[in-house]
Amino acid sequence: AQSVTQLDSQVPVFEEAPVELRCNYSSSVSVYLFWYVQYPNQGLQLLLKYLSGSTLVESINGFEAEFNKSQTSFHLRKPSVHISDTAEYFCAVRDDYKLSFGAGTTVTVRA
Amino acid sequence: ETGVTQTPRHLVMGMTNKKSLKCEQHLGHNAMYWYKQSAKKPLELMFVYNFKEQTENNSVPSRFSPECPNSSHLFLHLHTLQPEDSALYLCASSQGPDREYEQYFGPGTRLTVT
Repeated sequence: AQSVTQLDSQVPVFEEAPVELRCNYSSSVSVYLFWYVQYPNQGLQLLLKYLSGSTLVESINGFEAEFNKSQTSFHLRKPSVHISDTAEYFCAVRDDYKLSFGAGTTVTVRA
Repeated sequence: ETGVTQTPRHLVMGMTNKKSLKCEQHLGHNAMYWYKQSAKKPLELMFVYNFKEQTENNSVPSRFSPECPNSSHLFLHLHTLQPEDSALYLCASSQGPDREYEQYFGPGTRLTVT
């Protein structure tokens, strides 16, 4: 069985400040890792994913996440956030059988 | 229409009503999924279909009845629901059920059971 823990349920941040969203997982097998974003009144959109290779993955809108196997973590970071980054962010882990999600982190960016 | 669409976007129903949620994917995918999203809880996988065949039922109560007539359409039939079933119901699709295939999500149906 696997589980996903997002350590922060709410993260308020000022515009142009950096943000880090923490994600830890537990699994007895190798996994694929994902971050999804959900803007208000919308479905989930894939932000970035780690399947293999380089442990640092990046999205087109400035987010990056680093897979740390020893710490079983996949934290998401952005060096400078915009108002438009206000959303809920979900970490997800996929083994051979299912995609499991964390409870989500709500990021609120203020001017 | 592109991607994954869901109708209706909002639904209010009484506990004795029967209603259906519809999902359609325009991506040529073979696998489709229903998820339940409750506030501050992880998404819960409900059902998985692959090539129209149900491959997973995650211990969902029988008051939720899925139907997959073809690879592009997925329905969730609702009957005698409880207030605790109020949630956002998300449909997703992927090229296949294997883990390397990304799941694409629809916007969801916000269900309120009164």
